[in-house]
Amino acid sequence: DQQVKQNSPSLSVQEGRISILNCDYTNSMFDYFLWYKKYPAEGPTFLISISSIKDKNEDGRFTVFLNKSAKHLSLHIVPSQPGDSAVYFCAAMGVFGNEKLTFGTGTRLTIIP
Amino acid sequence: EPEVTQTPSHQVTQMGQEVILRCVPISNHLYFYWYRQILGQKVEFLVSFYNNEISEKSEIFDDQFSVERPDGSNFTLKIRSTKLEDSAMYFCASTTSEGSSGANVLTFGAGSRLTVL
Repeated sequence: DQQVKQNSPSLSVQEGRISILNCDYTNSMFDYFLWYKKYPAEGPTFLISISSIKDKNEDGRFTVFLNKSAKHLSLHIVPSQPGDSAVYFCAAMGVFGNEKLTFGTGTRLTIIP
Repeated sequence: EPEVTQTPSHQVTQMGQEVILRCVPISNHLYFYWYRQILGQKVEFLVSFYNNEISEKSEIFDDQFSVERPDGSNFTLKIRSTKLEDSAMYFCASTTSEGSSGANVLTFGAGSRLTVL
């Protein structure tokens, strides 16, 4: 039961270019969406979130877009830097904000110098 | 910056043995979680804990699993009789809110790798 799906297991992007990571979800009850970044041998680290009442949230080089009608969100990183190389997980949670996170399968982003 | 600490970082055990994974959540946090990630797979929810009781658990969290907050600081995950398929990275997480209008970010520990032989 994959309620959160990341269909691209890997992505390679040239340094300085834009990285776009995609995520789809099936559960219309999700109210918040979060992106986590994970380096090997470390826990997931929060990156950016968006509420379902918004369609865009920006934080520095990171922007998350939400298309609620399509049940799709994307994370844009621009410009991409070598330190951005990591696995990126899309995650969703329900209305109360402290419920469990449902994670996608992750996308491994490699930034090519 | 406050962090969630987990011990041990790696544990190797024989099938059928009991394992206890320990976590020290961030001190003012109220909600505690265990997640796991089998190699190459997604991060999966196991259990959430609030006010000294389980608030939600997944179907993975069967009778072989238990959680405890024995002393107000530690949060432990016990697997009574480990199976080969329990081999995974186990992540503890915590968050502060009692309920809010925004997403509450879970802070994760670095994980405990469990290898069952």
